Amino acid sequence: GDSVTQMEGPVTLSEEAFLTINCTYTATGYPSLFWYVQYPGEGLQLLLKATKADDKGSNKGFEATYRKETTSFHLEKGSVQVSDSAVYFCALTNSGGSNYKLTFGKGTLLTVNP
Amino acid sequence: ETGVTQSPTHLIKTRGQQVTLRCSSQSGHNTVSWYQQALGQGPQFIFQYYREEENGRGNFPPRFSGLQFPNYSSELNVNALELDDSALYLCASSPSAGYNEQFFGPGTRLTVL
Repeated sequence: GDSVTQMEGPVTLSEEAFLTINCTYTATGYPSLFWYVQYPGEGLQLLLKATKADDKGSNKGFEATYRKETTSFHLEKGSVQVSDSAVYFCALTNSGGSNYKLTFGKGTLLTVNP
Repeated sequence: ETGVTQSPTHLIKTRGQQVTLRCSSQSGHNTVSWYQQALGQGPQFIFQYYREEENGRGNFPPRFSGLQFPNYSSELNVNALELDDSALYLCASSPSAGYNEQFFGPGTRLTVL
């Protein structure tokens, strides 16, 4: 079945540092890929997405490129802020079935210190 | 435009009891999915409802059941609660079953003692 593996956390950075959170996936067909963010005590918010190979999703300074050859969708940000502290989830949906259920990784806790 | 809402926010039950969680989908959305997020884990798909019919189910036992109403709001029912059912339950809606983006509510935190 489909699966998502993402970098184990927690990740602790200083403000303005460069961020990379690795994500790889296993899926048949042509999945769509997502990064969701969860702030403390809240539900999930879509951060960015990419629906086909070589697409780059971007939002709020975060970027991720859909790499089919390496089955990866790594999240990057050039300069993190304290407000970026949250849990980040890599996820996929697969059009192989009749529904678009999301398959998530385990999440990576990011803490940004001033 | 009102987003996805869920009730209650928190709930405490004892083992063996039954619980009902509620979700109101975003305006214009006819598809609702439910996820269970255990502490420190990613959300796991429970099931999806599309136009009042179940449209896919994850690896959860039959004591997890659901409903979707004509206004597309939804309920998740869990019978014979077990300690491992303690989790954050997330509801997500989308404009249709064939739409690959889902919009999440804030979740219901269920604690089973």
